[in-house]
Amino acid sequence: NAGVTQTPKFQVLKTGQSMTLQCAQDMNHNSMYWYRQDPGMGLRLIYYSASEGTTDKGEVPNGYNVSRLNKREFSLRLESAAPSQTSVYFCASSETGVQGDEQYFGPGTRLTVT
Amino acid sequence: GESVGLHLPTLSVQEGDNSIINCAYSNSASDYFIWYKQESGKGPQFIIDIRSNMDKRQGQRVTVLLNKTVKHLSLQIAATQPGDSAVYFCADGYSSASKIIFGSGTRLSIRP
Repeated sequence: NAGVTQTPKFQVLKTGQSMTLQCAQDMNHNSMYWYRQDPGMGLRLIYYSASEGTTDKGEVPNGYNVSRLNKREFSLRLESAAPSQTSVYFCASSETGVQGDEQYFGPGTRLTVT
Repeated sequence: GESVGLHLPTLSVQEGDNSIINCAYSNSASDYFIWYKQESGKGPQFIIDIRSNMDKRQGQRVTVLLNKTVKHLSLQIAATQPGDSAVYFCADGYSSASKIIFGSGTRLSIRP
């Protein structure tokens, strides 16, 4: 089991460029999440998908879009990158999404927008 | 608004000593808390959780204490080892896995 995998590991973008961060999990989990982590801060939820076919906004959704491609894959798209989106992005998954359901995190994508 | 904060941004302990990492929360309705460990270059990893109907919960070398009166919880790591070096986050899991509020983290470093 690879768990949660993310690609790419590192990315540098120029302001205004677009890109898609990929995430996949092999644990047959229903729920998936995208977080961002800024230096010295905790994680903040961008979007989540409670189950295949559904997506919902989290705390900081502006500037992002997501696609739950299938049960395994959940991608995050930046349509027009801004320096404020420089961050480390983590994808996570959990079995059901209810309280107490453990989240499993990927290794992260470090994104720099210049 | 809701917040979860840790008391110290960094903590340095001698190898073999016990470590105590503290956390305060503001939402009196919070009923579920989680501690995560994040090693350098990795994603957070679940350590232990506790529900508000408990005051204490123990895992392998870790204990979480919850004081609802003062809205405070702590993570105790027994016999700290070099592999415990990481940033530790407390999180408020009030309503669902999609509503977890993370604190800013405490970096634990181990002195040989």
